[in-house]
Amino acid sequence: DSGVTQTPKHLITATGQRVTLRCSPRSGDLSVYWYQQSLDQGLQFLIQYYNGEERAKGNILERFSAQQFPDLHSELNLSSLELGDSALYFCASSVDLLSYNEQFFGPGTRLTVL
Amino acid sequence: GDSVTQMEGPVTLSEEAFLTINCTYTATGYPSLFWYVQYPGEGLQLLLKATKADDKGSNKGFEATYRKETTSFHLEKGSVQVSDSAVYFCALNTGNQFYFGTGTSLTVIP
Repeated sequence: DSGVTQTPKHLITATGQRVTLRCSPRSGDLSVYWYQQSLDQGLQFLIQYYNGEERAKGNILERFSAQQFPDLHSELNLSSLELGDSALYFCASSVDLLSYNEQFFGPGTRLTVL
Repeated sequence: GDSVTQMEGPVTLSEEAFLTINCTYTATGYPSLFWYVQYPGEGLQLLLKATKADDKGSNKGFEATYRKETTSFHLEKGSVQVSDSAVYFCALNTGNQFYFGTGTSLTVIP
């Protein structure tokens, strides 16, 4: 158990809909990362937050947004969903911003768009 | 741009065989390098890391050396076990961007 929790575990929805994925980082970790894992794209970095502020952006679509709240939990919002958004979404956390620190991954949320 | 290129799988080995999974990277500056492992139905977990050139990361019999001259971070294990069956990811952290390889699936048969 990494200490990172993600809800829900599974999500099935239809094209055009909007969903929210939730992540609680390990106790004491200030940095949260979101990743998308799909069969054809591998593991892609989406976005990073640190202590409530956006710090880095990767391959995140404009239809996707995220935020980190004062209690440090984070939400990833996916809107106008398309079939191609079906994937496993991972949240990870680390203690700070230093590049050599380990990221601890949650178990993931599996999103299926029908 | 920065990137990680990882040996494609799947890889199937017999128990006690020698394992090498190749990983090369492209990066400006001095990134940290990692190997993560993903067991079925689970999230990724850190296997080992190296933060500067010539560092060797090691854990559970796995090793990888940060080679700046060849921009490589190959994963090795001298004698694999059935319990090592998983997907292995090479990763690079530049401090503000994070890149993962495509993953190499390893199956170890008794």
